[in-house]
Amino acid sequence: GDSVTQMEGPVTLSEEAFLTINCTYTATGYPSLFWYVQYPGEGLQLLLKATKADDKGSNKGFEATYRKETTSFHLEKGSVQVSDSAVYFCALSPQAGTALIFGKGTTLSVSS
Amino acid sequence: NAGVTQTPKFQVLKTGQSMTLQCAQDMNHNSMYWYRQDPGMGLRLIYYSASEGTTDKGEVPNGYNVSRLNKREFSLRLESAAPSQTSVYFCASTDPGQKNEKLFFGSGTQLSVL
Repeated sequence: GDSVTQMEGPVTLSEEAFLTINCTYTATGYPSLFWYVQYPGEGLQLLLKATKADDKGSNKGFEATYRKETTSFHLEKGSVQVSDSAVYFCALSPQAGTALIFGKGTTLSVSS
Repeated sequence: NAGVTQTPKFQVLKTGQSMTLQCAQDMNHNSMYWYRQDPGMGLRLIYYSASEGTTDKGEVPNGYNVSRLNKREFSLRLESAAPSQTSVYFCASTDPGQKNEKLFFGSGTQLSVL
């Protein structure tokens, strides 16, 4: 079945460092891909999305490109801040009307 | 902007007790979901409701029941709680016309079963 695999954390960085969180997926069709973020004590919220191959999603300095050839959707940010400390979830939507499938999440901790 | 509201925020149960987690959304969404979040497991779908009057099992439905009371409300019931159901539970909703994009999540219910 469809699935999402994320790099295991925790990821610990200093402020202004470059961030990459790897995400690969398995899907039979043409899924939409998402990154959700969960700040401490809160529910998840959408960070960015891409709906077709080669699309780039971006928000708050984060970017991810839908790579069909490598079945990947890696999250990147050029300069992280302490406020970016959170858990990041990669997810896919297999097709219209089906529930999202989430990866296990990657914890990011940024220190000043 | 209330969004998705879950109650209670925290609950402690003894093994065998029952309880209902409540969820309501004010965004006129058709689809609603219940997920559980466990360390190292990410979010796993328990049940979902694609529209008012319909419910379907997700990945981990055993030990749970749901009710889609109306378009706004989707409750999750534990009939006989077990320690394995200790988890953080999230309710979410979306407009399926957007191909299930942008799930809106509640703030979660932290449940401990002793």
